[in-house]
Amino acid sequence: KNQVEQSPQSLIILEGKNCTLQCNYTVSPFSNLRWYKQDTGRGPVSLTIMTFSENTKSNGRYTATLDADTKQSSLHITASQLSDSASYICVVSAGSGGYNKLIFGAGTRLAVHP
Amino acid sequence: EAGVAQSPRYKIIEKRQSVAFWCNPISGHATLYWYQQILGQGPKLLIQFQNNGVVDDSQLPKDRFSAERLKGVDSTLKIQPAKLEDSAVYLCASSARGTSGFDTQYFGPGTRLTVL
Repeated sequence: KNQVEQSPQSLIILEGKNCTLQCNYTVSPFSNLRWYKQDTGRGPVSLTIMTFSENTKSNGRYTATLDADTKQSSLHITASQLSDSASYICVVSAGSGGYNKLIFGAGTRLAVHP
Repeated sequence: EAGVAQSPRYKIIEKRQSVAFWCNPISGHATLYWYQQILGQGPKLLIQFQNNGVVDDSQLPKDRFSAERLKGVDSTLKIQPAKLEDSAVYLCASSARGTSGFDTQYFGPGTRLTVL
C-alpha cells in the first residue's frame, strides 16, 4: 500500500533556530518527492520537487534531502522566522510516466515563537 | 499571473442539504484536481480532470459527490446530500507540465465547509 508518513506531528521552535522535518514513504513506482508549505487558511505551495537521482535541493532557507535507498526525505529550515509557522506536507508521486498519482502525508505543523 | 480561484470561501449548511463549490484554474492549465482536507490531515484526492475528461475519481463518494468540468476550464464540485463527516476544506488545484518536466500543482485558497 502506498503510504507517506511524517514526523513529528507538530513542533515548536524559537525564532532563529533551525529544525528538521522527516518523511518516510513506501511508494512504488517512485517518480518524485515534493515538499509543500501550507499556511493556515491557505492552499499548499510547492517548496521543492526531487527525483530519485537528486540528493538535495534548496529553496532559500529550505533544504530538502532525499535518500531513495532508505525511502526517507527531510526538510531542513535554517534560521527560522515567524512566517515559517505553517504545516509542511511531504508528497510522493507514484507512477512511471503517463498518469502519476500523488500520495500526501498528514503534514508536520510547525510553530515558530518569538 | 492570476492564481486558482475558488468560491465560496466558507459555507455552513445543515446535514442532508446540498452544496456546490466552484473553481477557476490558472489559464492554460489542462489538469484540474479537487481535494478534501479534513482538519489535521493531508489533502485527499477526490477527482482529477485532464481537460474535460476524468483521469481519476477512485476516491470520490459517487453516491453523494459529483463534479464536472464541461468546457475544460471551470469546474464545480457538488455534495448532495451532505453528511456531518463532509465537514472539511475543499481544495482545488491545477497544473501544467513545465520546462522541468514536472507538473507543479498550484492550489486555490480552499472552501471551508461546515455541516451541522
